[in-house]
Amino acid sequence: QLEESGGGLVQPGGSLRLSCAASGFTFSSYAMNWVRQAPGKGLEWLSYISSSSNIIYYADSVKGRFTISRNNARNALYLQMNRLRAEDTAVYFCARETTPVLDMDVWGKGTTVTVSS
Amino acid sequence: QTVVTQEPSLTVSPGGTVTLTCASSTGAVTSGYYPNWFQQKPGQAPRALIYSTINRHSWTPARFSGSLLGGKAALTLSRVQPEDEADYYCLLYYGATRVFGGGTKLTVL
Repeated sequence: QLEESGGGLVQPGGSLRLSCAASGFTFSSYAMNWVRQAPGKGLEWLSYISSSSNIIYYADSVKGRFTISRNNARNALYLQMNRLRAEDTAVYFCARETTPVLDMDVWGKGTTVTVSS
Repeated sequence: QTVVTQEPSLTVSPGGTVTLTCASSTGAVTSGYYPNWFQQKPGQAPRALIYSTINRHSWTPARFSGSLLGGKAALTLSRVQPEDEADYYCLLYYGATRVFGGGTKLTVL
């Protein structure tokens, strides 16, 4: 299971750190992703981190502003979000990825981020 | 910028069959894009249905099947049930990035 936390209301230009707590599987064996969904919109992939953190990818929309990281000892995934904009308002999901079949098979319920003054 | 295109909406009758497709702006979709399909109902997280083009998860009903069709990834729903009404998203892998399609709103009517 995956459970996101850390969402909330933040002003434009502000920062927020999301967490994703993993349980019920060997977290350190899996790559992880962050995905978001703006109100009434579709899914948008944001970032990927490999099981050992040696490979990290970002979507262009968040590159340079968001940072993905993980702590395998704590079974936790993080997303540090800086310089937030109104268009970052969304529900943020973490999702497990099984390799090498590239299967985004387990998702959390999401945490809501609202960027507004 | 890579764009993945799905039908915005489709309607199917209960008991019928419908095929949703997923196209890539870079050209034909192949198994090398590892197409994934997800179902999302209002207020819920996405649920994985299909991975690597054709593989169902243990929880995916057998009436859902994935394939490649005419240069696109496809999701076919057979013997459609009322509870299949939902948004469906495909996901394609492009090496360093992953791109979701815009989603298909499936109405069962």
